[in-house]
Amino acid sequence: ILNVEQSPQSLHVQEGDSTNFTCSFPSSNFYALHWYRWETAKSPEALFVMTLNGDEKKKGRISATLNTKEGYSYLYIKGSQPEDSATYLCASPGGGADGLTFGKGTHLIIQP
Amino acid sequence: DSGVTQTPKHLITATGQRVTLRCSPRSGDLSVYWYQQSLDQGLQFLIQYYNGEERAKGNILERFSAQQFPDLHSELNLSSLELGDSALYFCASSVALAGGLYEQYFGPGTRLTVT
Repeated sequence: ILNVEQSPQSLHVQEGDSTNFTCSFPSSNFYALHWYRWETAKSPEALFVMTLNGDEKKKGRISATLNTKEGYSYLYIKGSQPEDSATYLCASPGGGADGLTFGKGTHLIIQP
Repeated sequence: DSGVTQTPKHLITATGQRVTLRCSPRSGDLSVYWYQQSLDQGLQFLIQYYNGEERAKGNILERFSAQQFPDLHSELNLSSLELGDSALYFCASSVALAGGLYEQYFGPGTRLTVT
C-alpha cells in the first residue's frame, strides 16, 4: 500500500509572494507522480505527471520538481494570485494505469 | 469541463437503502476509475474498469459494486447504506500519454448524503 504524504496541511500566503509545498512518497517501486489542483466546488484538475528523477515541469507560474531517489516532489507557485487559492493534491499510481493513491492535500489560501 | 459526466449531482437517501451513481467517460477513454472523498479522508481509490473488465480494486467495501457497460459508461452501486458512506464520489477516465503514463480526468462528482 502506497503512503503519500503532503505538507503543510494548509498555507496562508500574501498575494504576490512565492510559495512551495511538499509531497513525499515511497522511493521504492516508484512509477509516476501526479499533481492536481482542486478548487472548491469543482473537480480535481491535472497539473503535471512526472516520472523521471530530476524532472521539472512548468505551467505558467506553477512548477514542480521530482526526486525519486529520496521520494519527494516540490510544487512551487511564483507570485501568488488570489485565483491560486485551492487544494493541491499529489498522487502516485501502483502502475501506469492504476488507480491513484492521493495525499491529503495542501490547502492554499492567497490573501489579498 | 473535463468531459467526464456524472449523475446525479446530489443524492440524499436513508440508511439501509441502495443507490446507483452513473459516470460517462470522455469520448475515446476506455478506463473508468471511482474515488470516494469523505470528510476525514483524502481521495480514496475504489475500483477501476477498462473496456468493460474490472482492472484494479482499491478500498472498496463489499457492499459496493461497479460495472462498465459496452458503451463504456459505468455505474457504482452502493447498498445497505450507512451514515459513514456519506461522501463525494468522483469518477475519472484516463488518457494514455507517452512513455506508458496515464493522465486521469475527473468528473464533477456526486455528493451522497445518507440520513
